Amino acid sequence: AQSVTQLGSHVSVSEGALVLLRCNYSSSVPPYLFWYVQYPNQGLQLLLKYTSAATLVKGINGFEAEFKKSETSFHLTKPSAHMSDAAEYFCAVSPTGGGNKLTFGTGTQLKVEL
Amino acid sequence: DTAVSQTPKYLVTQMGNDKSIKCEQNLGHDTMYWYKQDSKKFLKIMFSYNNKELIINETVPNRFSPKSPDKAHLNLHINSLELGDSAVYFCASSQGQEQETQYFGPGTRLLVL
Repeated sequence: AQSVTQLGSHVSVSEGALVLLRCNYSSSVPPYLFWYVQYPNQGLQLLLKYTSAATLVKGINGFEAEFKKSETSFHLTKPSAHMSDAAEYFCAVSPTGGGNKLTFGTGTQLKVEL
Repeated sequence: DTAVSQTPKYLVTQMGNDKSIKCEQNLGHDTMYWYKQDSKKFLKIMFSYNNKELIINETVPNRFSPKSPDKAHLNLHINSLELGDSAVYFCASSQGQEQETQYFGPGTRLLVL
C-alpha cells in the first residue's frame, strides 16, 4: 500500500523567510504526488502535482516541489513566506494505474509570524 | 458559479438519527468522491463513483450509503448516527480518474450529540 509521511505537524516561519514542508512517500513504483492547501473552515485546494513529467513542479501562489526518487521525497517550498500562506498543507499520493484514490498525509500546519 | 457544493454546511443531530448530505458539481466531471476528516484533520477516502458506478468503497460501516442519481450528484446517507461519526465530510470531483486533480467542496461539519 502506498503512503505519505509529513514530518512536522506544525511549522512556524517568519514573514519573508523560506518555507519548507517535508513529504516522503512509500511506493514500489513512482506514484502521482500532490500538495493541497486547506484554509480555515474551507475545502482543499490543489497547489501542485507531480505526474511523472518534470521533477520540479511549480504551483500556485509561488509554491514549488521537487520529486526526488532517490530520497522518495516531494518537499514543498516557497522562497518567501507571506501572512496569507498560513494554512494546513497536505501531501497526498495516488497510485499509477490504480484509479484516483488519494491517500493523504497527516498534514502540516504552517504559521507565519511577523 | 460554485464548482463543488455541499448541503448542509453544518449538521447537528442526536445519536441514532438518520441524516443525508448532498453534493453537486457543475464542472462536468465524471468522478465524485466522499472523504472524512476527523478531529485531528486526518483525511480518508470513503467512496468514489465514476459515471454513477461505485469504484472505490473503503472500509466504511454499512450505515454509510452513497447514492449517485446522476454524474453531477453524489449524496451520502448515514443511518443510526454514532458519536464517532462526528467529523467534516468533504465531497470532491475529478475529470476521469488517473492522476486527475480533485476539486473539493467546502465541507459539511457533522456533530453527533
